[in-house]
Amino acid sequence: KNEVEQSPQNLTAQEGEFITINCSYSVGISALHWLQQHPGGGIVSLFMLSSGKKKHGRLIATINIQEKHSSLHITASHPRDSAVYICASEGGSNYKLTFGKGTLLTVNP
Amino acid sequence: SAVISQKPSRDICQRGTSLTIQCQVDSQVTMMFWYRQQPGQSLTLIATANQGSEATYESGFVIDKFPISRPNLTFSTLTVSNMSPEDSSIYLCSVVGREQFFGPGTRLTVL
Repeated sequence: KNEVEQSPQNLTAQEGEFITINCSYSVGISALHWLQQHPGGGIVSLFMLSSGKKKHGRLIATINIQEKHSSLHITASHPRDSAVYICASEGGSNYKLTFGKGTLLTVNP
Repeated sequence: SAVISQKPSRDICQRGTSLTIQCQVDSQVTMMFWYRQQPGQSLTLIATANQGSEATYESGFVIDKFPISRPNLTFSTLTVSNMSPEDSSIYLCSVVGREQFFGPGTRLTVL
């Protein structure tokens, strides 16, 4: 059974700081997702990656398949980045996801 | 990308009643899922909504409690039946296109 662990659970930063959120999983996967959940509950997909690195604006996601580890980085953090960030692993061809518990990020002005 | 809407966005219900949540997608999609997120917990897959046939439920979820309909490739409903306070959660639908897209969620509180 795949387990997805995230760290830290909670993260408080000052505006402008570089943020890193880590995710590890226990079995081989076909893809790793990074999601953002705002207080209202809605979820936005940030990245889906199966190797290497992806960048979108101030967000960067990396994955190391051998080490079963992924990181989400936020450069020049801003209060509007405050949200819960969730990683989820996708195994096989059925698109089902196994989710981590999320990291609550608070960026103070 | 796919745009997903859910109704209602939130509701407060009495114990023993049922609530039907609707999920509408702006394009035809093959794969549609229903998830639950209990307070402080990670998302858990309830079932895969199959068009034209019965939904496929994950371990711990049964059709009598969470009946699902999928009449076409753009619409699905999830009913939470005979609710108890333990059903208080956020319920989300998601679809698979080039990537997975999630609906805005329905926040349910059961008193």
